[in-house]
Amino acid sequence: AQSVTQLDSHVSVSEGTPVLLRCNYSSSYSPSLFWYVQHPNKGLQLLLKYTSAATLVKGINGFEAEFKKSETSFHLTKPSAHMSDAAEYFCVVSPGAGYSSASKIIFGSGTRLSIRP
Amino acid sequence: DTGVSQNPRHKITKRGQNVTFRCDPISEHNRLYWYRQTLGQGPEFLTYFQNEAQLEKSRLLSDRFSAERPKGSFSTLEIQRTEQGDSAMYLCASSLPRDRNTGELFFGEGSRLTVL
Repeated sequence: AQSVTQLDSHVSVSEGTPVLLRCNYSSSYSPSLFWYVQHPNKGLQLLLKYTSAATLVKGINGFEAEFKKSETSFHLTKPSAHMSDAAEYFCVVSPGAGYSSASKIIFGSGTRLSIRP
Repeated sequence: DTGVSQNPRHKITKRGQNVTFRCDPISEHNRLYWYRQTLGQGPEFLTYFQNEAQLEKSRLLSDRFSAERPKGSFSTLEIQRTEQGDSAMYLCASSLPRDRNTGELFFGEGSRLTVL
């Protein structure tokens, strides 16, 4: 069975300060992990993905995440927040690219990121 | 624009009416997914197609919901006898075939349903 927990439903930071969005997962497979971003009334867009290569993954817009198997975590970070980063962020666990069961792609409940001027 | 396209973007209907949403995936993607998203929640899986075959259906997909992908290209999601609890954003996503798949889902902008 797979599950994903986003530890914060809402994070608020000041512009120019670091961002940390936390995600813990559980999986009986060697999982693939993803972060998606959703701006209001828009679809989800991929930020970055981990698929068993390098554990530190760099994504778009200066975001990165580190896969820590011992801690079953995949936290999303950015050194300096920008106003345009305000959005909803979803952590996703998947059994991998060759999966045969789409229902095993599990989305977290999301973290809303607010940026203070 | 070669992204995933969904229509209509917004639909307001009265309880008991039928509604249909359409999804046009990226042309080379043979996998297509429908999700439902309510306010403050992550997307919940509804159903999955590989080409024209509907391979998985969630138990969330009641008898009032039906999805088709008749020629393996666009897909429709129909909700019959709508209820107020059906109000949500319905998201469509597509992905590459297995031999080129990286696990990434490509999402449309969604179809927002409001049932009065």
